[in-house]
Order: sequence, then structure tokens, then C-alpha cells
Amino acid sequence: GAGVSQSPSNKVTEKGKDVELRCDPISGHTALYWYRQSLGQGLEFLIYFQGNSAPDKSGLPSDRFSAERTGGSVSTLTIQRTQQEDSAVYLCASSLSHMWSETQYFGPGTRLLVL
Amino acid sequence: ILNVEQSPQSLHVQEGDSTNFTCSFPSSNFYALHWYRWETAKSPEALFVMTLNGDEKKKGRISATLNTKEGYSYLYIKGSQPEDSATYLCASEMDSSYKLIFGSGTRLLVRP
Repeated sequence: GAGVSQSPSNKVTEKGKDVELRCDPISGHTALYWYRQSLGQGLEFLIYFQGNSAPDKSGLPSDRFSAERTGGSVSTLTIQRTQQEDSAVYLCASSLSHMWSETQYFGPGTRLLVL
Repeated sequence: ILNVEQSPQSLHVQEGDSTNFTCSFPSSNFYALHWYRWETAKSPEALFVMTLNGDEKKKGRISATLNTKEGYSYLYIKGSQPEDSATYLCASEMDSSYKLIFGSGTRLLVRP
């Protein structure tokens, strides 16, 4: 079946602009995660959605970052007033449930460059 | 501070060589250890999820071991092939059942 998809695959924007990144999880997966990888760093947890529960936003680096998940499926990560330090690969993942040791399946990522 | 460390940072080997790399993680409140392979411009691909001390898993020429008491996991590749060239990531699940804490990865290049 189809895997996790993300769009756009690449995004170049100017400092101060807003950007929206989209994630389509695997059908039937209830849990959805956003991570990012900045240059030279490991993947960093950003936010987690599970069903209708309140999302865990503890990894969001600032209030310029927000995310929503509509209808328990597609998710959008929004970065307002982008800064150069926001340049990174943003990865989305989904899993069948939120149980421990559940495999998280990743999308190909969106490469964001803020000039 | 929860740190997952991977070594070496990068590795160049000849086709046919066997190789291994290390992932170390805090052993307290351990839930599971995940290994991923990430090829350039592709999605990270799940290799293994390991939970039990002494666990060993195998997928083709790739295998992994887990020591939860001392907080390390080894990934082995037998008879490396150029298509094994990728970044290998490990991630620890601790305290919660969903946040993965990733290491910085080991970048493997296999020369033909």
C-alpha cells in the first residue's frame, strides 16, 4: 500500500515568510508524528497526534510553529515568520497505534531552506 | 538530558567488507530501541525494533544486538554492498510510548 507522503519535497522561502508543510499518513494509522533534522543534528521530535486526544506539542521549538491534523488523517505543520535557523528536513511519520515499540513509518521529508 | 550517541559518525568500507557500528542510550526507563536506514532523497526505512535484553534480530545481511543493562546496541552488516550505502539511525523509546530520541547517525559508504 501507499506509504507516508509529504509535500512539497523542497521549499525555498525568504526570511519572515510563512510556510505550510503537508503530511499524508498511511491509511488507518492513528498516530502521526513530526520530526526535523537540522544540519549536523539528529532527528528531533516536534509534535505528536493520537486519534482525538490533545496533541503533544512539547517538542515545538517556538510559538511560530504550529500543527493541526484534520479528520484524523492529513496533517499540516505551519511555520510563521520563518528564520534561517528553521532550515532543516522536516519528516512526518505515522504508526498504527501509539503503543510502545510500534514501528513509525516515515515519509521522504520536506527540505526547507530559509534565505 | 537524554542522549543517544552513535559511533562512528561516518565509515568508508570496500565492497565485501563486514562492518559494525554502535548505538548507546540511557539504560534507565528503557522501552525499545529502533534502527532505521536512511538513503539520500528517500524515506527512512525501519530495520528493527528491539525490546528485550540480549535480543538479536536479523534481516538478510544485517543484524543487530541489544544490551539494555549497559545501554548499547550494535548493528552489523555482513559482506557490505554498494547499495548498503546510507545513514543508519538508532532511536530510543524511553519514558513515553511514542517519542523517539534519535542519535545523529552513522553514514556508511561502501566502495565498489
